[in-house]
Amino acid sequence: GQNIDQPTEMTATEGAIVQINCTYQTSGFNGLFWYQQHAGEAPTFLSYNVLDGLEEKGRFSSFLSRSKGYSYLLLKELQMKDSASYLCAGGATNKLIFGTGTLLAVQP
Amino acid sequence: DGGITQSPKYLFRKEGQNVTLSCEQNLNHDAMYWYRQDPGQGLRLIYYSQIVNDFQKGDIAEGYSVSREKKESFPLTVTSAQKNPTAFYLCASSISSRGATNEKLFFGSGTQLSVL
Repeated sequence: GQNIDQPTEMTATEGAIVQINCTYQTSGFNGLFWYQQHAGEAPTFLSYNVLDGLEEKGRFSSFLSRSKGYSYLLLKELQMKDSASYLCAGGATNKLIFGTGTLLAVQP
Repeated sequence: DGGITQSPKYLFRKEGQNVTLSCEQNLNHDAMYWYRQDPGQGLRLIYYSQIVNDFQKGDIAEGYSVSREKKESFPLTVTSAQKNPTAFYLCASSISSRGATNEKLFFGSGTQLSVL
């Protein structure tokens, strides 16, 4: 089957680091996306990994291990504005499969 | 600025009524998509279109219809056959007609549909 799993909720402290994990089982896998979505707003693209390893973009980094079917999004120096849902999405043979999203609450 | 515009932001449907959600993009993207978002569930694909005058059913197309008469526009009609229409609807686009599996999606700000 095709499945994307990620935690439902996470809480972290302003200034800290948080890692949001995502595991996937998809046939014909061809890459993994992370999107950020603030409540009631449009999801916005954060990262796309197709090869194994870590990709860094400022405070956000994304990691992929294709052999383990595993990805994570790493957020550093957390800010209050990072409170949002983070959607993991795996590219399969002919469509994109989304996880349920991880609601991150950043506390002072 | 280029982007995707969805309207209205909020929409109410009476029983037995069809309603149409608007989606317009000025990004010159070939592909457009409609997703439904429910609490506790991932985005689910309703319909997608890779080129003008052509569209394909997604995973949950029953009770919905679309048209793609212009490249910029991809309206979604929620028909009376959709018995549980209350959800947040997101329209998206991607650059080419190859599909969204390896291209990033650009999303509109969504329409919240509720049943009266």
